[in-house]
Amino acid sequence: GQNIDQPTEMTATEGAIVQINCTYQTSGFNGLFWYQQHAGEAPTFLSYNVLDGLEEKGRFSSFLSRSKGYSYLLLKELQMKDSASYLCAVRRHASGGSYIPTFGRGTSLIVHP
Amino acid sequence: GAGVSQSPRYKVAKRGQDVALRCDPISGHVSLFWYQQALGQGPEFLTYFQNEAQLDKSGLPSDRFFAERPEGSVSTLKIQRTQQEDSAVYLCASRRPGTLYSEQFFGPGTRLTVL
Repeated sequence: GQNIDQPTEMTATEGAIVQINCTYQTSGFNGLFWYQQHAGEAPTFLSYNVLDGLEEKGRFSSFLSRSKGYSYLLLKELQMKDSASYLCAVRRHASGGSYIPTFGRGTSLIVHP
Repeated sequence: GAGVSQSPRYKVAKRGQDVALRCDPISGHVSLFWYQQALGQGPEFLTYFQNEAQLDKSGLPSDRFFAERPEGSVSTLKIQRTQQEDSAVYLCASRRPGTLYSEQFFGPGTRLTVL
């Protein structure tokens, strides 16, 4: 089965840095996604990690440690528009030879001035 | 269109009514997923298609839920005899054939309210 854990809510100040953690327990691990979801909108892709280490993409970075079942999303130079839910999703091998992401409940990030 | 579209965007149903939710994936995307997202929760996997084949339906909560994709493009999620606990946003996502990785592209969702 899948068990994905991330904090329910975080707050941060505009211009600051915030780290959103995700821990998981799964069989057949095949990568971890981070998605951003603004209220009332569809999730949008941020990053994908399958190997250990840090992936940097502009203001956003994502880190993975497979041995620890741990990932984090790092957001730098926070902007008000970064207020959203951040979803951690673990990809598992499924029947039919495909890979299906299983999502955590999301971390609601509130950025204030 | 460039993205995944879903219709209707909002649906209000009386308990016991049947509903049908439609998803138009991105052209050329062979993989299609349905998710159910309750308020304040992450998307919960319902079912997955590769072309017209339904390869995984392990997430469907009951036999009242049925999904099809007869021609390998448009998909319909049908819920029979709706219950109040079915109230949620139903998200559809499509994915092109994977290489090293392949992200999912989500539609805007259908918000279902069962009274």
